[in-house]
Formats: sequence, structure tokens, C-alpha cells
Amino acid sequence: GIQVEQSPPDLILQEGANSTLRCNFSDSVNNLQWFHQNPWGQLINLFYIPSGTKQNGRLSATTVATERYSLLYISSSQTTDSGVYFCAVENPGANSKLTFGKGITLSVRP
Amino acid sequence: DGGITQSPKYLFRKEGQNVTLSCEQNLNHDAMYWYRQDPGQGLRLIYYSQIVNDFQKGDIAEGYSVSREKKESFPLTVTSAQKNPTAFYLCASSIEGGRPYNEQFFGPGTRLTVL
Repeated sequence: GIQVEQSPPDLILQEGANSTLRCNFSDSVNNLQWFHQNPWGQLINLFYIPSGTKQNGRLSATTVATERYSLLYISSSQTTDSGVYFCAVENPGANSKLTFGKGITLSVRP
Repeated sequence: DGGITQSPKYLFRKEGQNVTLSCEQNLNHDAMYWYRQDPGQGLRLIYYSQIVNDFQKGDIAEGYSVSREKKESFPLTVTSAQKNPTAFYLCASSIEGGRPYNEQFFGPGTRLTVL
């Protein structure tokens, strides 16, 4: 099946810093989502981005499907950005099955 | 408010007992999914249903069972055959199953502990 690798596994930032989170995948995809898991376990949808670039406030994401990677940018980080960030993909023929990466744990220090 | 609800939030079970986790959505979504998350890991698919009265096994279905009698509801039963049931269980839904470009939305989860 499709493989999803996220890097780096852990990231520590000072409040106000910028960061880039990476997601590599091993096959073509027709669905790619970025999630933020908060301390209570809730998965918050950040971006639905099988290709192209999107922006939402301080966050933006880019997926280059032909090169099999996606990037999540966080600018001017805040302590509330802390948590685990997951990338999940679905490849064609997978019948809506999402395959998740292992996540990136982000800690933003005040 | 439209959304996905899961209950209970925390569940404790003795070994050898079956337990059922509830998942309800009022988003009018056709497709529903159950995932399992272990500490420090990503989510893994247990079962999914693209339409009422139909469901398919995911990657780790052994020891679990589901039903889909109503569009809004997709309960998951963790049976005594599941060897390591302690985990965080997440339910999701999407507008249509089996179609590309189909965003999934998640409920708040149920944390199951086997004593």
C-alpha cells in the first residue's frame, strides 16, 4: 500500500517563529488532508489539498502531486499551535481509505 | 449544529467483555469510518461504510464488528477477540464514499481502556 512519511518527527519552536512541515508519499493521490490533533485528541481539519496551494490565516499548504510531497507552513507560531500534525492521503482505487503518516509533534514555547 | 458525536468519551472494560462505541453524524454524509490510534502513532482504518446496509473491512478489522442500519449511525463493537483493545477510537464521515476528492471529518473520539 501507499507509504506516508512526515518530517521532522518532533519540532520545538519559540513563539513567533516560522516552520515548515513535510509530508512525502510513495504513490499518486487523489486526496490529501492535513490535520491538527489537539491535546484532547480531536482532529481538526486544516487543509484538503490534493494539489496546489491554499492559505488560511497564518497557515498555508502546498501539494506537488507530481513530485509526491506536501508542505504545511506555519508563520508567526503561537503556543496554541502546539500538538500533533498529521498528513493523510488516499490513492486512486482506495475507496476513500485514508493512510496516515505518524505525525509531527510541535511544541511552541512562550 | 452539524457534526459528528461519539460516546462515551472514556470507556473502561474488563477483559473478556464486548463493548460498543457509538458514532452519530447529522451532516447527511453517506460514508462513515472507524479508525484506531495507538500512542505515538498515526490512525489505522478498522471498518468503513460507503452506504447504508453495507460496510467493508479496513486494515485492522480482526476482533471488531460494525453495523450500518441508519445513515446517521455507525456503531463499532470491540469484541473479546481483539487482543489489544486499549486505544483511542475515532469515527469519521465524508459526503460520498468510493469517490475521489472526498474530504473526511472526524468526531472527538472515545478512549477505551481494558482493565
